[in-house]
Amino acid sequence: EVLLLESGGGLVRPGGSLRLSCVASGFTFSNYAMSWVRQAPGKGLEWVASLIDNGRDTYYADSVEGRFTISRDNSKNTLYLQMTSLRADDTALYYCARGHTDAWSEPCDYWGQGALVTVSS
Amino acid sequence: IVLTQSPGTLSLSPGERATLSCRASQTVRGSLLAWYQQKPGQAPRVLVYGASTRATGIPDRFSGSGSGTDFTLTISRLEPEDFGVYYCQQYGSSPRTFGQGTKVEIK
Repeated sequence: EVLLLESGGGLVRPGGSLRLSCVASGFTFSNYAMSWVRQAPGKGLEWVASLIDNGRDTYYADSVEGRFTISRDNSKNTLYLQMTSLRADDTALYYCARGHTDAWSEPCDYWGQGALVTVSS
Repeated sequence: IVLTQSPGTLSLSPGERATLSCRASQTVRGSLLAWYQQKPGQAPRVLVYGASTRATGIPDRFSGSGSGTDFTLTISRLEPEDFGVYYCQQYGSSPRTFGQGTKVEIK
């Protein structure tokens, strides 16, 4: 069974930093692209970042480019999202999601349950 | 690419047919468009990808169609468990974008 378990969420002040982790199990982690997608309270889905081709290529939404970094440690079956210079509008539930293959042009076929990040003073 | 979904809310009874639309501001490369279902308190679940391919385990009452800039998700006969919010997403170009969602509710 494919499982994705996010952690690292919490309350952080504006301008602060936070690192989210997503531990994967039930599949060969290194063979798949991975993404982060967020959802602000009561709002729709927003793609944040993707990591493909075994980590060689990264893509970011304009809203987080230069502030967030997606990375992975295949030896630990773990995906990360390092978030810096956090703003109130980064407040959201952050989902870790697996790509259908290791390519860019594939949808997300498995999702975790999310980690809540709240940016507030 | 901006994706605009319509209608915003669809009020239907079980057994009825649901037709959800997703219109793109420019051509979606390779028809790389997916539909997701999200129920309250749950993560999204992929229903259709590549505009018309059903994901593993998805019932055949769900069907996707379209190309270019116009895409449709059809639920042939609504079941009680089909109510929720549906999102389209294009994943052919960066940034990947989602539509704003269509809520399917019980009439």
